[in-house]
Amino acid sequence: AQSVAQPEDQVNVAEGNPLTVKCTYSVSGNPYLFWYVQYPNRGLQFLLKYITGDNLVKGSYGFEAEFNKSQTSFHLKKPSALVSDSALYFCAVRDRYFTGGFKTIFGAGTRLFVKA
Amino acid sequence: DADVTQTPRNRITKTGKRIMLECSQTKGHDRMYWYRQDPGLGLRLIYYSFDVKDINKGEISDGYSVSRQAQAKFSLSLESAIPNQTALYFCATSDRSEGIGETQYFGPGTRLLVL
Repeated sequence: AQSVAQPEDQVNVAEGNPLTVKCTYSVSGNPYLFWYVQYPNRGLQFLLKYITGDNLVKGSYGFEAEFNKSQTSFHLKKPSALVSDSALYFCAVRDRYFTGGFKTIFGAGTRLFVKA
Repeated sequence: DADVTQTPRNRITKTGKRIMLECSQTKGHDRMYWYRQDPGLGLRLIYYSFDVKDINKGEISDGYSVSRQAQAKFSLSLESAIPNQTALYFCATSDRSEGIGETQYFGPGTRLLVL
């Protein structure tokens, strides 16, 4: 079965510094990878996804993620963090349902704190 | 996503009570989902529906039931609530036409406390 791991419960970064939120995956076929963000008292919002093509994927709010097949990673990055980026970030992978469709499996989440 | 709404936003109930959480969407999507979020566990799928006549159990369906009243409405029921069902519940939708890369759109969540 497919799975994702987010090795850090929390990431702290100063405003203006680059940020990285880590994600590794385990799949038995082609990986279909996603990042979602959850702001306080809100539902999850889609940030970006990798399906095929360029290993560097650009998404919303200046975020990007790099797909690295050899390291089975899909780390989320931003060149310059903002205090407003403070949120809970989820990595996710698509997996097949036993009925033949697909479902989304979410990691446990990484809380990002950006300090002013 | 404002196009996916959930009611109530907060609910306190007692053990043994039956409660219903409701979800409505104006995105016109055919697929709808119910998840629960617990700290450190991410989101876990409770039930999903690919159209009005299609209901499927997710990984943690025990103690829950659902009803897809229309394409736009998907409700989750706890038949007899227990304290370990205290969690944050999310409804989500997706569009089948996106295929393997389909994005999910989430409601704002319902915070449930079972005493």
